[in-house]
Amino acid sequence: GNSVTQMEGPVTLSEEAFLTINCTYTATGYPSLFWYVQYPGEGLQLLLKATKADDKGSNKGFEATYRKETTSFHLEKGSVQVSDSAVYFCALSDSNYQLIWGAGTKLIIKP
Amino acid sequence: EPEVTQTPSHQVTQMGQEVILRCVPISNHLYFYWYRQILGQKVEFLVSFYNNEISEKSEIFDDQFSVERPDGSNFTLKIRSTKLEDSAMYFCASSESVVANQPQHFGDGTRLSIL
Repeated sequence: GNSVTQMEGPVTLSEEAFLTINCTYTATGYPSLFWYVQYPGEGLQLLLKATKADDKGSNKGFEATYRKETTSFHLEKGSVQVSDSAVYFCALSDSNYQLIWGAGTKLIIKP
Repeated sequence: EPEVTQTPSHQVTQMGQEVILRCVPISNHLYFYWYRQILGQKVEFLVSFYNNEISEKSEIFDDQFSVERPDGSNFTLKIRSTKLEDSAMYFCASSESVVANQPQHFGDGTRLSIL
């Protein structure tokens, strides 16, 4: 079946550091891929998406490229801020009847 | 920007009692979902709903669970006889269509605590 694997957290970085959160997936067919973010005390917000191979999703300085050859969708940001502290979830959908989720990676940014 | 709203934000219920979680999806969306997240675990799909019918449901969504769209705006999740293991954050979501590249938009969740 379909599945998503994310790097375990927490990931702790200093402000302005480079961020990578790894995400790999297993899926039949050609899923769409998403990153959602959950800030403390809030719900799940869509951060970015990519719907086909080699697509790059981007938003708020975050980027992720849909790599079919490595079945990956790693999240990157060149310079993180304290306000980026949150839990980040990688997810896939092949039909949109449901999203399949990774376990989430907690990101802590220290000033 | 339109958003999905969920009420209540926190529900505390005695084991064995019925609970109804409420959601107001984005107004022009046609597909509705419930997910749950047990503390420290993955987000899990429960059910999707379209045209007043369940489209898909997971193994978690057993006979204790039901969903309903009682009017043109609300979408509810009912748990008939709650168990301790039903304690979780429950998220409602909606989307414009069921095409895979259309994102699901989530509410802030209802934290359900079963005593």
